[in-house]
Amino acid sequence: QSVLTQPPSASGTPGQRVTISCSGSSSNIGSNYVYWYQQLPGTAPKLLIYRNNQRPSGVPDRFSGSKSGTSASLAISGLRSEDEADYYCAAWDDSLSGHWVFGGGTKLTVL
Amino acid sequence: QVQLVQSGAEVKKPGSSVKVSCKASGGTFSSYAISWVRQAPGQGLEWMGGIIPIFGTANYAQKFQGRVTITADESTSTAYMELSSLRSEDTAVYYCAVLWFGYWGQGTLVTVSS
Repeated sequence: QSVLTQPPSASGTPGQRVTISCSGSSSNIGSNYVYWYQQLPGTAPKLLIYRNNQRPSGVPDRFSGSKSGTSASLAISGLRSEDEADYYCAAWDDSLSGHWVFGGGTKLTVL
Repeated sequence: QVQLVQSGAEVKKPGSSVKVSCKASGGTFSSYAISWVRQAPGQGLEWMGGIIPIFGTANYAQKFQGRVTITADESTSTAYMELSSLRSEDTAVYYCAVLWFGYWGQGTLVTVSS
């Protein structure tokens, strides 16, 4: 059972816009930055969004992040087949002397 | 660009220990917060603990307290994760990562089987 709550699955058709939610609490999302990772099968996760809404260089602007209170969202616009992957949110949690927490992951299917 | 290169796959017996290494290059190793994250087959990501080499003190997820030891050697820019009292449920891919910056190792598969 993950500390951050994500829907287990999401789907969309090419060109659509999809959003993935991530719900936490005051000790993690409510007081720290949110990070989003994309994981393709058999590979290490790749950073998509850092500090709630910042994109590393090389990440298309089709990917965007937002945060409000103790929840965050990842939006993918202009959906493409190569976006089919698992997506994870993460945040630092201030409780218990501090630790990272992850969402359980969302499997995105491009129909 | 920071690169993290991990040691190779391991097969271990239940009750034994495993030590995985993570060698960094291309950055300021000592100041990075190195985390260890594992992923069991078909499951999500799980943070085990982390260390900032310049400070030397690790902190651990409550679930792994007493069973995991994370260390770092600044002279070789290498971090280590040792997990003891292995059981079948520890079969997973283990990653080292600098989560804030998105640097990840390639992963090390640890298989625990009798």
